[in-house]
Amino acid sequence: DQQVKQNSPSLSVQEGRISILNCDYTNSMFDYFLWYKKYPAEGPTFLISISSIKDKNEDGRFTVFLNKSAKHLSLHIVPSQPGDSAVYFCAAGTASKLTFGTGTRLQVTL
Amino acid sequence: NAGVTQTPKFRVLKTGQSMTLLCAQDMNHEYMYWYRQDPGMGLRLIHYSVGEGTTAKGEVPDGYNVSRLKKQNFLLGLESAAPSQTSVYFCASAPWGPNPYEQYFGPGTRLTVT
Repeated sequence: DQQVKQNSPSLSVQEGRISILNCDYTNSMFDYFLWYKKYPAEGPTFLISISSIKDKNEDGRFTVFLNKSAKHLSLHIVPSQPGDSAVYFCAAGTASKLTFGTGTRLQVTL
Repeated sequence: NAGVTQTPKFRVLKTGQSMTLLCAQDMNHEYMYWYRQDPGMGLRLIHYSVGEGTTAKGEVPDGYNVSRLKKQNFLLGLESAAPSQTSVYFCASAPWGPNPYEQYFGPGTRLTVT
């Protein structure tokens, strides 16, 4: 039973355009949501997070939106840059533990 | 400040052999975690620790044991390796707090069991 789902395995976006990555979850006990970025042969790195009591959090080019009624999370990257090309993992936290989605590979083309 | 380090980086084991993966962090973090990443599966939690001397099971603990004798180290043991344990293993740590979710990850250990 996958509690955190990323239904798009890959996404290709032109440089300068907006990238939108989506994530759905099923467990209502999750109280914190995060996005991690991963380059090949490296460990994931924390990107941005949002508490369940908020619906938006912004950090520079990155904005995370949370729709609790729909159990849906999205990450917007504006403008997208070639260095953003990586695998992005959605994660949800409760009881000191994280549950990860399967990842979306973002490719930003010139 | 090295952050989170993992030893070894690569290892090949034969079925039935044992080994220990070492994770070390120099950030004085309370929480430490072991994950495995398999193709199409994302990261899955194996075991975790909320402080020195404590351990707890995660989502996929079978076939693994852990120990946290020192705050800075978290060891993952495979007593009798199986091909299903071929994976990339990541260790992570997080500081004490109500939301230990902004975790710092090591570079990973790629393990192949033949």
